[in-house]
Order: sequence, then C-alpha cells, then structure tokens
Amino acid sequence: SAVISQKPSRDICQRGTSLTIQCQVDSQVTMMFWYRQQPGQSLTLIATANQGSEATYESGFVIDKFPISRPNLTFSTLTVSNMSPEDSSIYLCSVELEGFGQPQHFGDGTRLSIL
Amino acid sequence: ILNVEQSPQSLHVQEGDSTNFTCSFPSSNFYALHWYRWETAKSPEALFVMTLNGDEKKKGRISATLNTKEGYSYLYIKGSQPEDSATYLCAPLDAGGTSYGKLTFGQGTILTVHP
Repeated sequence: SAVISQKPSRDICQRGTSLTIQCQVDSQVTMMFWYRQQPGQSLTLIATANQGSEATYESGFVIDKFPISRPNLTFSTLTVSNMSPEDSSIYLCSVELEGFGQPQHFGDGTRLSIL
Repeated sequence: ILNVEQSPQSLHVQEGDSTNFTCSFPSSNFYALHWYRWETAKSPEALFVMTLNGDEKKKGRISATLNTKEGYSYLYIKGSQPEDSATYLCAPLDAGGTSYGKLTFGQGTILTVHP
C-alpha cells in the first residue's frame, strides 16, 4: 500500500488566518479526497480533487473557503481560509489505490484548533 | 445525502468479551459498504469492503455481515483485546444520484476494551 504523508499533523491558529494542509502520496493516483471531522460529528467529504481539473465540492463547502490545489498526481493541498472556531476539526486526505469502490487509504490527519 | 446510522455510539467491554455493532444505510443505489477502524492519533484503516447481499468477511477475530435488501451490516469482534479499542466507521458507497462514487460515513462506534 502507498505511504500518505499529511502535514502539519496539528496546529493551533488564530481566527481570521488561513492554513494550508499538504498531502503527499508516494505513488501516482487519479483521485484524492479531502474530509473533515468536526467534534462529535461524522467524517464528511469536503471535495474530490482530480489532477488537471477543478476540485468538485460537496454541498455546504465552497472553493473560497476551502481552496484546493492538485498540481500533479502525487500531491494536493487544502487551504482552510479565514478560520473561525467552527473550523476546529480533524482534516484528512485519502486516495483510492485499487480503483473505484475499493478501500480508501488515509493520511494521519491534521488536528486543527482555532482560538 | 445518505442517512447512515451506527449503533451503539460507544461501547465499553472487558478484555475477552465478544461484541458487535450495527450500521444501517439506505438500500437503494447500493454499490458497496466499507468498514474502517480508526485508532486515536492514527489514520483510518480499511477493514472490509463488502458488495454482495449475504456477504460475510473475516479478518482475524473481526468479521462482518451484509444485508443489502434491508440496508444493514453487523461488525463482530470475538474475544476483544485492549488493542481493539478504536472508533469503527462504516460507509456505504452509493451508485446513483449526487452521491455517486462517494463514501458517506456514519458517526462511528467508539469501542473501549478494558484489561
């Protein structure tokens, strides 16, 4: 299975600032996914990022708040913009390695707290 | 948005006890059901991907069953060990509509196994 490195692992940020989370995979993948888990909530898909095209956002998530880059087949970033305490969450990236419907492989997550 | 329910929300058992939890999901447009284990400070790890009604899968002391007609899956752990302590997540993969190809996670069952 692939190694998925996510940085930073945790951060504490001031409200109104932005943070960019990086996800690096050691093999080429078509689709990368970004999830969020707010305290006490389920893991929720933010967007799907395909290389060479705009990310596809789920209902309730917008590009201005969560801009995503996907410059190549091994790397993606998610930015959490103009942060507020409601953005305090665990953010996870994941990839499909074996094709549609097969298990997703996750990074270790970024634990973000907003003061 | 799919409605995925997991029960119980949390469970405390003694080492050696056997336990089981439930995942219920909409049965229409079903493609597959994923089970993941998420230990604290680690990444979610895939346990099973199940697709066929009546499927039963086993991995060591952990097994799962699937009923796609009525929309539920059970996860069983035989002889629980402290290292089984984790959050267990289920996620159906939908084959239609706006949820096509996306995992929708339940809130998870938090299992704590006491020595």
